[in-house]
Amino acid sequence: DAGVTQSPTHLIKTRGQQVTLRCSPKSGHDTVSWYQQALGQGPQFIFQYYEEEERQRGNFPDRFSGHQFPNYSSELNVNALLLGDSALYLCASSHRRTSNQPQHFGDGTRLSIL
Amino acid sequence: QQPVQSPQAVILREGEDAVINCSSSKALYSVHWYRQKHGEAPVFLMILLKGGEQKGHDKISASFNEKKQQSSLYLTASQLSYSGTYFCGTEMGTGGFKTIFGAGTRLFVKA
Repeated sequence: DAGVTQSPTHLIKTRGQQVTLRCSPKSGHDTVSWYQQALGQGPQFIFQYYEEEERQRGNFPDRFSGHQFPNYSSELNVNALLLGDSALYLCASSHRRTSNQPQHFGDGTRLSIL
Repeated sequence: QQPVQSPQAVILREGEDAVINCSSSKALYSVHWYRQKHGEAPVFLMILLKGGEQKGHDKISASFNEKKQQSSLYLTASQLSYSGTYFCGTEMGTGGFKTIFGAGTRLFVKA
């Protein structure tokens, strides 16, 4: 039973560039949430996708956008990268968009902005 | 809206107990607890829904007092494998469900 998979594992970009991160949810899960985790901090909620639509959004600018595909996989896009975007980006999946469901996290993508 | 965790860090000897607290300024619908080891993904421990329930997972248990908007994680007879950063995640339950995580409590268990 494959868990949550994310790609790539590491990425180096320069300021102003754009990046796309990918996530495949755990088998049987239909909801994907994205988080940004800075070093030494807790995961910060970016947004959540369910039924191919963005359902919830955290306090992140419009430079952060996403997409969910019919097979429930998801992408996170970040435009006009800033140095402050350097972080670990985590994807988490769950079954249905309800509160009593645990989230399963992927190993993350480490994004470094030079 | 971010829940506040305390303490920020704790060092234990194997076999000792610890309590990690999580408090919110907003009414909560549920509290989630996760543990993250260095360089790894957060791993789910337990969810507590409103109702003051207490749940257990091996020697790790938690309580949720919705009136006080607080949750506590109890680690009993700690083992070396308990080392890591513990995060509480809270959900308000209004306008959908999104989990807001605290800054974490770093726990180190030494032999």
